[in-house]
Amino acid sequence: AQSVTQLDSHVSVSEGTPVLLRCNYSSSYSPSLFWYVQHPNKGLQLLLKYTSAATLVKGINGFEAEFKKSETSFHLTKPSAHMSDAAEYFCVVSLLQGGSEKLVFGKGTKLTVNP
Amino acid sequence: ETGVTQTPRHLVMGMTNKKSLKCEQHLGHNAMYWYKQSAKKPLELMFVYNFKEQTENNSVPSRFSPECPNSSHLFLHLHTLQPEDSALYLCASSDQEWGTGELFFGEGSRLTVL
Repeated sequence: AQSVTQLDSHVSVSEGTPVLLRCNYSSSYSPSLFWYVQHPNKGLQLLLKYTSAATLVKGINGFEAEFKKSETSFHLTKPSAHMSDAAEYFCVVSLLQGGSEKLVFGKGTKLTVNP
Repeated sequence: ETGVTQTPRHLVMGMTNKKSLKCEQHLGHNAMYWYKQSAKKPLELMFVYNFKEQTENNSVPSRFSPECPNSSHLFLHLHTLQPEDSALYLCASSDQEWGTGELFFGEGSRLTVL
């Protein structure tokens, strides 16, 4: 069965320190993986995506994620957190079902950035 | 206007009311989606429309009735809802059904059922 697990429901960091949001996936094939961000009272926005090209993917706002097949992980990182990064982050996996691919969302990780 | 617009942003209704949520996209996309976002639960896919045709109903109760008159507009008609239906309802669109995985979301309609 294909699924996605976000290991932390809440992460708190200080401004200027690194961010690590963890995501593990389960899939019988190499899936496409995504990170979406949702700022308060806003819709979701695509941060970055992995689709079997380079394993290190760069996204918007300085975020990047590395696909590690051996660890079935797709963790999201940023070297230095900014106050505006406070939001909820969703790891998403494409799921092959009924001959078509659809997206399955993780439960989300809420990132708090302290001054 | 650009992007995906949802109205109303907030809605409070009683269990016997009938109301509708509206979604409009100005991106020229062909696929549209309704999602339900509840606290501490993963985003739940409700319906998918591709070229105005419903391609997925994710076992949604009949008190939710979608309508897609054209590729730019999507409605969710609400009738005889339950308090547990209170949630943020998100509309999204994409160029093709599921496409490359990039969905464009509206800001959502926050529904409270009393």
